[in-house]
This record gives sequence, C-alpha cells and structure tokens, in this order.
Amino acid sequence: QSVLTQPPSASGTPGQRVSISCSGSSSNIGDNYVYWYQQLPGTAPKLLIYKNNQRPSGVPDRLSGSKSGTSASLAISGLRSEDEADYYCAAWDDSLGGHVFGGGTKVTVL
Amino acid sequence: EVQLMESGGGLVRPGGSLRLSCAASGFSFSSYDMNWVRQAPGKGLEWVSLISSSSDYIYYGDSVKGRFTISRDNAKNSLFLQMNSLRAEDTAIYYCARDLGKHYAMDVWGQGTTVTVSS
Repeated sequence: QSVLTQPPSASGTPGQRVSISCSGSSSNIGDNYVYWYQQLPGTAPKLLIYKNNQRPSGVPDRLSGSKSGTSASLAISGLRSEDEADYYCAAWDDSLGGHVFGGGTKVTVL
Repeated sequence: EVQLMESGGGLVRPGGSLRLSCAASGFSFSSYDMNWVRQAPGKGLEWVSLISSSSDYIYYGDSVKGRFTISRDNAKNSLFLQMNSLRAEDTAIYYCARDLGKHYAMDVWGQGTTVTVSS
C-alpha cells in the first residue's frame, strides 16, 4: 500500500489532455513539494516535475504540475504515443522521515 | 555529463549479505545528498535510504531499518548500500539517485542493479 494514492491507469487519444491525480496527507503533500517521474519499460525513472510545477530543462511545456492542499496533479496535453509510460508522484514525508511515492499510473495512448 | 552507475547486484540466499556501490561522475558529488530507491519486479518505486552530503544525517525506510546501512566516500565519489539479513521481499532493482536537497526531488538516477534473494 503506497503512502500517496494515484489511479492505476489513465488513457487518451493522440492530441488529448490527460490528467493524473496524486493524493496524500498533511505530513507529505500538504507540507512539502511534489515531484513527478516518468518510467518507460526497462528504464530508470526520469524527473518530469519538481517543486510542484517546475520542469527540468528538456521536459516539454505540454507537461505541467499543480498542487492544492494535500493533492497534486500532472497534466499531459497534446498526448503523443511516446507518452505511453508509468508515471509516479512523490514527496517528502515529515512523519516517516523519507521520500514517499504513489503506486504509479500507467498511461495508455489509444 | 552527469552520471550515476550502480554495481554489486546479484543472486544471494535468504539471510545473506550484499554490498551495492554507486559511482558518480560529472558533478560535485560531495555537495549532494544521495538516495537509494528500489523497485520490485512488476511493482512501483520504494524509497530505501538517504544520506546527507557530509554523512551527518541518514534516514531509512521502515522495511530496511536495522538491516541496511548507507554510506559514502566523497573522496572516491561513491555511494554504498550494505544489505544484511536479506529476504525474498528485498528482490528488486536498486537505483541510486541524486537529491536536489530541501526535499525538492531526486533528479538524476542510475540505470539500476538487480538484487535477487532466493534459495
């Protein structure tokens, strides 16, 4: 059971907008930054969003992050076939004293 | 180029020990906190441990506390994870990951090393 809660799957057609939710508590998302990762099959996770809504260089602006209270979301607009991957949210948890992850959301491009 | 490269994975029997290493290059290793994160087959990501840049504070996940020990050698740009009393549920790909600090994120990840605990 993951500390952060994500839907197991999401899907959309090319060009559509897909949003992935991430729910936590006051000890993690409520009091700390949220970050998001993309993981393609057989590869290491790649950082997409840090500090709730900041993109590392090289991450396209069609990916965006937001946070409100104890929840966060990742939006992918202009969905492309290469976006098909697993996506994880994460945050620091003050009570547990460590990074915590969501269970991951598999995005399928129909 | 900023790079992390793990090594030391392998097959070990339950109750055995293994020491993982992570070699860092392309950045000032001694300036960054570092993490170990693992992923069991077909499962999600699980944070294992964090060590501060100068080793003055260390954190562990509950599932490995008392069995795993994280350490680093800044002179050799290396991070380590000593794993003792290994269990079948420790079977996973183990990644080392650089921490941006101030709980911003883990930004750079290695390619991972596979640990299999089986008799």
